[in-house]
Amino acid sequence: DVKVTQSSRYLVKRTGEKVFLECVQDMDHENMFWYRQDPGLGLRLIYFSYDVKMKEKGDIPEGYSVSREKKERFSLILESASTNQTSMYLCASSTSLKPQHFGDGTRLSIL
Amino acid sequence: QKEVEQNSGPLSVPEGAIASLNCTYSDRGSQSFFWYRQYSGKSPELIMFIYSNGDKEDGRFTAQLNKASQYVSLLIRDSQPSDSATYLCAVKPRLDSSYKLIFGSGTRLLVRP
Repeated sequence: DVKVTQSSRYLVKRTGEKVFLECVQDMDHENMFWYRQDPGLGLRLIYFSYDVKMKEKGDIPEGYSVSREKKERFSLILESASTNQTSMYLCASSTSLKPQHFGDGTRLSIL
Repeated sequence: QKEVEQNSGPLSVPEGAIASLNCTYSDRGSQSFFWYRQYSGKSPELIMFIYSNGDKEDGRFTAQLNKASQYVSLLIRDSQPSDSATYLCAVKPRLDSSYKLIFGSGTRLLVRP
């Protein structure tokens, strides 16, 4: 079974802080994704990565950056957290032949 | 026009009935279609996928695909209260090796005991 692990289920941070969200998958998947999910707006893709050190912007990359130094780990970075980044953040991974599997999500609150 | 459209619901059905969830997509070249179930406060869970026109059955779930009409549906037979969740339709557009998916906003299903 695919296992996608996100480092925190709940996180509270202050505005202006630099925030790191970590995601690890154990299935050697080449593709990894970061989404945020907000009521009424559905799942929105922030960034994705199709290989180590490779990344592409999704639909809403502003205010975020990512890092993929190892195949199994994909990090989302909020450079200077703002209250409008309060959301549920979901990490997913896949291969080119298999659909995406999601982690449990991180509910992030920015105060 | 949104790329993947779903009625937000809620769709309310009595226990034991068939629930029919529908999804339309705009990219005629889309290749693969997925249904995810998401319980409140939880992450999406893949329950069905379909690549070819027609029906695909898995237990109480049937996915139906009609590429000519750009329409995909999910039928849940013998609906149970535990099926109450939001169902997300996702589409893989054209030939995209990254496996990026386009998600609909989801349909909330309520199964009444």
